[in-house]
Parts: sequence; C-alpha cells; structure tokens
Amino acid sequence: AQSVTQLDSQVPVFEEAPVELRCNYSSSVSVYLFWYVQYPNQGLQLLLKYLSGSTLVESINGFEAEFNKSQTSFHLRKPSVHISDTAEYFCAVMRSSASKIIFGSGTRLSIRP
Amino acid sequence: ETGVTQSPTHLIKTRGQQVTLRCSSQSGHNTVSWYQQALGQGPQFIFQYYREEENGRGNFPPRFSGLQFPNYSSELNVNALELDDSALYLCASSPTRDRVADTQYFGPGTRLTVL
Repeated sequence: AQSVTQLDSQVPVFEEAPVELRCNYSSSVSVYLFWYVQYPNQGLQLLLKYLSGSTLVESINGFEAEFNKSQTSFHLRKPSVHISDTAEYFCAVMRSSASKIIFGSGTRLSIRP
Repeated sequence: ETGVTQSPTHLIKTRGQQVTLRCSSQSGHNTVSWYQQALGQGPQFIFQYYREEENGRGNFPPRFSGLQFPNYSSELNVNALELDDSALYLCASSPTRDRVADTQYFGPGTRLTVL
C-alpha cells in the first residue's frame, strides 16, 4: 500500500524568503507524484506533477519539486515566496496502475510581511 | 471551457438523513472521482466512475454510493448520515482512463455539516 507523510503541519516564513515543504512517500511499486494547493475556501488545484523523465519538475508560479527515488521524497521548494502563496499544500501519490490519489495530511504555509 | 462544478456549496443535515451531492465534470472528461476531506486532513478517496461504471473504491461503507450519467456528470449519495460524515466533499474529473495522463481536476467542494 502507498502512503504519504508531510513532515510539517505548518510552515511560517517571511515574504521573499525561501521555503521547502517536505514530503516522503512509501510504495513498493512505481508511482506518480503530485503537489496540490488549496487556497482558503477553494478546491484543490494541481501545482505540479512527476510522471517520469526529469526528476525536477516546475510549476508556472515558481515552485519546483525534485523526485528522489533513493530517499523516497518529493520536496516542494520556492526560492522567494509571496503573500499570495499563503495556502495549504498537499503532497499526493498515485500508483501507476490505480484509480485513486492518496494525499498527505497537508502543510499550511503562512507568509509574514 | 468550464471547470468542474459542484452543488450545493453548503448543506446542513441531521443524523440519519440522506444526502445527494452533485458534480459536473470538466468538458471532455469521462472519469470522475469523489473524495472526503475532514477538517484539518487531506482528502480521502471514496470512489471513481469511468463511463458510468465504478472503477475503484476506497475504504468507505456501502451507505456511500454514486452514479455517473451519460453526460459524465455524477452524484454522491450518503444514507443514514453520521456526525463523522461532516466534511468537505470534493469531486475531481480527468480526461481519460489512461493512468499516464490521469491528472485530476478538482471542483470547489460541497461542505456538509451533520448535526
């Protein structure tokens, strides 16, 4: 069975500071990895995904994540955050032959001016 | 192109009642999945429908049931509501059953409160 662990439930950072949201997964089979973002009172939006190929994937708003198979991690990073990045971030995994996405418990990113 | 829509936005029910939640898939998507997101937790997979047939189910009791219609819209039905069913219910649609391209796009959710 697959599982996802998000190591930090909350991450407070100052505006324009770098941030890393940590995610580890466990699976005995090949998986696809995702980061979703949930802004207050909204549904989930796909931020970025790893299916295959290059282990470094990027989003259009400056976030990036690196798939590390040996450490079973998929940490999310941004070199400089903005107030508008305030949201809950969910790491997720899906077995390449399955229907369902398994989500972590989320990390709340709060940005201080 | 319209995104995934859900109705109603909010709903209040009492224990033992039944509820139906609705979802309209994004145009061109033939697969719909339902998730339950309890407060402070990540979403949990309830089930998925592909071309009107159930295509996978999570760890939820049979009182959670669903339907997908020929236009790919979907319903989630919950019978005999319990207090623990209070949650945000999310619908997600995806364009194909092909796992390699199976990116799921989420609606805004329905907030269900059971009193």
